[in-house]
Amino acid sequence: EPEVTQTPSHQVTQMGQEVILRCVPISNHLYFYWYRQILGQKVEFLVSFYNNEISEKSEIFDDQFSVERPDGSNFTLKIRSTKLEDSAMYFCASSELGQGNSPLHFGNGTRLTVT
Amino acid sequence: EDQVTQSPEALRLQEGESSSLNCSYTVSGLRGLFWYRQDPGKGPEFLFTLYSAGEEKEKERLKATLTKKESFLHITAPKPEDSATYLCAVPGTYKYIFGTGTRLKVLA
Repeated sequence: EPEVTQTPSHQVTQMGQEVILRCVPISNHLYFYWYRQILGQKVEFLVSFYNNEISEKSEIFDDQFSVERPDGSNFTLKIRSTKLEDSAMYFCASSELGQGNSPLHFGNGTRLTVT
Repeated sequence: EDQVTQSPEALRLQEGESSSLNCSYTVSGLRGLFWYRQDPGKGPEFLFTLYSAGEEKEKERLKATLTKKESFLHITAPKPEDSATYLCAVPGTYKYIFGTGTRLKVLA
């Protein structure tokens, strides 16, 4: 069964450093998302992306965050200058259709630890 | 603003003890409700989609139902391997809004 893959599974970085989290969505999916989950808390929306543009972003997704689809398969999340509070699990998800017409499929996440 | 609330936050069951999890929502124009299972350290795994009131979906020991205001995930005769966090989500225009989940622990 096709799946969303994320790398790395765990990233440790120092405060102020840049990190790039990588995702390969399911190949025929057109809609892409990043979510994050702080330990023990809810799954929070960060950003959605379609047709090489951001569709919607949350308040969390400030100027330190950016997303890119550099080629036909990868989808990346960049955090320019990490803060301690960015420590969380970051999940990439994709869906075949938009606006709730098909479910999200998630990767197994990147655990980001900022020290 | 669209909201999703799940209850209870945590539930402990003995193996074989059936129960139900609740997901209530306030959205303008429901376009579907999604149930997910999340194991520790993993991404949410899709279980069901429900689109209209009265709809039901089943998978093994799980059955999801939908009304105009809430959804239930019924777990019949659960086993320890059903232990996980169960999440529900509703779609907004360009995002899916998740509830806080119910942490289910099934004891052998």
